[in-house]
Amino acid sequence: DGGITQSPKYLFRKEGQNVTLSCEQNLNHDAMYWYRQDPGQGLRLIYYSQIVNDFQKGDIAEGYSVSREKKESFPLTVTSAQKNPTAFYLCASSTSLTLAGETQYFGPGTRLLVL
Amino acid sequence: GDSVTQMEGPVTLSEEAFLTINCTYTATGYPSLFWYVQYPGEGLQLLLKATKADDKGSNKGFEATYRKETTSFHLEKGSVQVSDSAVYFCALRYQGAQKLVFGQGTRLTINP
Repeated sequence: DGGITQSPKYLFRKEGQNVTLSCEQNLNHDAMYWYRQDPGQGLRLIYYSQIVNDFQKGDIAEGYSVSREKKESFPLTVTSAQKNPTAFYLCASSTSLTLAGETQYFGPGTRLLVL
Repeated sequence: GDSVTQMEGPVTLSEEAFLTINCTYTATGYPSLFWYVQYPGEGLQLLLKATKADDKGSNKGFEATYRKETTSFHLEKGSVQVSDSAVYFCALRYQGAQKLVFGQGTRLTINP
């Protein structure tokens, strides 16, 4: 079955530690996205990528980094510079980065907690 | 800037009741509109969408009509089930824009 996988389901971060969230898709989509979800709020865009080796900052990129070395993979690193990392992180993909009616497909999410 | 406003939750209904979740948006131009659903502990799934004025999106008994004159995209279902309990997000996206703009979500609980 085609879809998006995210791992791990839960992740614990210690103070000063960088952690990496995995996102893999087998939908052959060009565009991939990372969103952050906080309780009682909508999703906010962290980073997005249209093609391999290219990515752009979203609305809340500070304290995060990404890479796009393969079309299928878009890992997100939460660095120690992100002072409030506790949230639910969602990865998404779509065939087109800019077509308005294009559906974005979401993975199951990773919940990040700070120890 | 562009924004989406949903009715505040939580919303609690009895099984077989009629559901309306209001969604209005503030935007320049004519975005595409979406409803996503999030079941507990899971990611978002597309429920329905509409890409131009007067379009009606429908899926699994849910419907929403793109109303340009009232800038609204209200979600409705005639008879809800316990399995419809989830958080519902309204969102918009413009042509040429990278991101979806989400409302804050509405938590729906259906009691048997």
